[in-house]
Amino acid sequence: GNSVTQMEGPVTLSEEAFLTINCTYTATGYPSLFWYVQYPGEGLQLLLKATKADDKGSNKGFEATYRKETTSFHLEKGSVQVSDSAVYFCALSDPYSGGSNYKLTFGKGTLLTVNP
Amino acid sequence: SQTIHQWPATLVQPVGSPLSLECTVEGTSNPNLYWYRQAAGRGLQLLFYSVGIGQISSEVPQNLSASRPQDRQFILSSKKLLLSDSGFYLCAWSVSGGAETQYFGPGTRLLVL
Repeated sequence: GNSVTQMEGPVTLSEEAFLTINCTYTATGYPSLFWYVQYPGEGLQLLLKATKADDKGSNKGFEATYRKETTSFHLEKGSVQVSDSAVYFCALSDPYSGGSNYKLTFGKGTLLTVNP
Repeated sequence: SQTIHQWPATLVQPVGSPLSLECTVEGTSNPNLYWYRQAAGRGLQLLFYSVGIGQISSEVPQNLSASRPQDRQFILSSKKLLLSDSGFYLCAWSVSGGAETQYFGPGTRLLVL
């Protein structure tokens, strides 16, 4: 079945440092890929997504490129802030119900802490 | 715009007691609905999904059940809670018929003692 593997955390950085969170996937077909963010005590928010190979998703200074050849979707940000401290989840879409609807398969999440 | 609500926000229940968590979506019709559980230090596990009223699919065998009595209402229930049911429960919705992006509610934190 489909699966997502994220780098294990926690990741601790100083403010303005460069961030990379690795994500690789295994899938049949051509899934869409997502990054979600979960701030402490809250639900998940969609951060960015990419729907086909070589697409780059971007939002709030974060970006990730859908790399089909390496089956990867690494999350990057050039300069992190304290407010970026959260858990980040990589996910892929998984078709069900005959392929007309989708569920998400998530990685285990990576906790990022940014210190001032 | 669409919004998703969950309640209660926090719940402390004794082992063996019943459970009912509610999720409602506003601003859309016939959404796909999902229940996830997030245990401490672990990722998200899909518990149930629904593509329409009365249509429930279970992803994993467990002590919980789900129902969808109305188009935009999704309920997670248990007759007798176990300690292992503790966790953070998240409801999500997506547009039916091919949309892949899911939108999550604020979650319910359940502690079973």
